[in-house]
Amino acid sequence: QKEVEQNSGPLSVPEGAIASLNCTYSDRGSQSFFWYRQYSGKSPELIMFIYSNGDKEDGRFTAQLNKASQYVSLLIRDSQPSDSATYLCAVRVAAGNKLTFGGGTRVLVKP
Amino acid sequence: GAVVSQHPSRVICKSGTSVKIECRSLDFQATTMFWYRQFPKQSLMLMATSNEGSKATYEQGVEKDKFLINHASLTLSTLTVTSAHPEDSSFYICSARDGQGIGELFFGEGSRLTVL
Repeated sequence: QKEVEQNSGPLSVPEGAIASLNCTYSDRGSQSFFWYRQYSGKSPELIMFIYSNGDKEDGRFTAQLNKASQYVSLLIRDSQPSDSATYLCAVRVAAGNKLTFGGGTRVLVKP
Repeated sequence: GAVVSQHPSRVICKSGTSVKIECRSLDFQATTMFWYRQFPKQSLMLMATSNEGSKATYEQGVEKDKFLINHASLTLSTLTVTSAHPEDSSFYICSARDGQGIGELFFGEGSRLTVL
């Protein structure tokens, strides 16, 4: 079992719709969770982080965390073609410095 | 957010040569930097953790003699790919954690290495 798992996609959504991305993790000691966006040929950029159960909203993005079920999700509202990218879920365990990344979900927003 | 700069962005070299990639934290001090490698259509794979003033910690399966890491100051880490071969062609990305933050990593722009 991979430590951090994501559906590779592609997730195709029409412009203006909501894109829903999921991520599951195996280490119950994980405490911090991050979503990164990576455009083709570019390095990842941080979108959001969350460390408490529940929802966290930032603009068109909402991160949701459920530690009991060991999943974290990202919602993208009013999806735009510029949101087309690969979204990486990353998890940090309590005592460690490093982040463990999922395989990424490729999102395609069609005009 | 914090700024991490990586150089060069692209490098093409002949098989058997060595290539050095620099990673700098521009507006913060990074006691720890991380080096990742990413093959096409794959996720980031952590290669090593670079610690200022001490030896790097390599992930399982990463050859420490082939991928030399030096972290001589709080703002600079270097990765040297020694005796590069075509299978080393990849996208190498460094990252650093701002000690003032909550643990998020900030990434450099990445270096695309092509070994002919």
